[in-house]
Amino acid sequence: KAGVTQTPRYLIKTRGQQVTLSCSPISGHRSVSWYQQTPGQGLQFLFEYFSETQRNKGNFPGRFSGRQFSNSRSEMNVSTLELGDSALYLCASSPGPDRTSYGYTFGSGTRLTVV
Amino acid sequence: AQTVTQSQPEMSVQEAETVTLSCTYDTSESDYYLFWYKQPPSRQMILVIRQEAYKQQNATENRFSVNFQKAAKSFSLKISDSQLGDAAMYFCAYRSGRSGGSNYKLTFGKGTLLTVNP
Repeated sequence: KAGVTQTPRYLIKTRGQQVTLSCSPISGHRSVSWYQQTPGQGLQFLFEYFSETQRNKGNFPGRFSGRQFSNSRSEMNVSTLELGDSALYLCASSPGPDRTSYGYTFGSGTRLTVV
Repeated sequence: AQTVTQSQPEMSVQEAETVTLSCTYDTSESDYYLFWYKQPPSRQMILVIRQEAYKQQNATENRFSVNFQKAAKSFSLKISDSQLGDAAMYFCAYRSGRSGGSNYKLTFGKGTLLTVNP
């Protein structure tokens, strides 16, 4: 069974640009979550989608957005990039709301560097 | 809001010995889930072990076991017979058992960097 796939693995962008990151969950998983990981702030929750609906959003500015498609694949977008957006962005999938105890399966992340 | 605290930024252990990583959390809920994740240099977060709060019995997965003290809100991870491949950053995480938008997330501690010495 294929794991959670995140593309691209690495990305370098310039301040002011926008970026789109992609996440394909494990087949059959309908919930996708996104997390930002930085040395200073640690792991912070960005948003969670289930069946194309955003169910929860973390405390991030509106420049951070996301969506989920009918095949459960998810994208997140960051507009008007700032230096502070440099981070590892992790995607996690889970079967759905009734099987939380199984935990979340993470991808290897996208390392975004803003210069 | 729930918080998760890992008080040991770094730990080291000799190969084949046992090490315990600490985690405490703060919540007013009675239904929740706790997890330990491992993040090696490859960056991928790997689920090590999970615990459901309503279960009294401590979870065990091969060399990994937890000491879950619900009243004390403590959830420590014990690694027995440590191996070089255990070297990684370890994160403790909390997930509410409730339904509803704000509950659909993991709250992580800051992590403990484990070094295994040969």
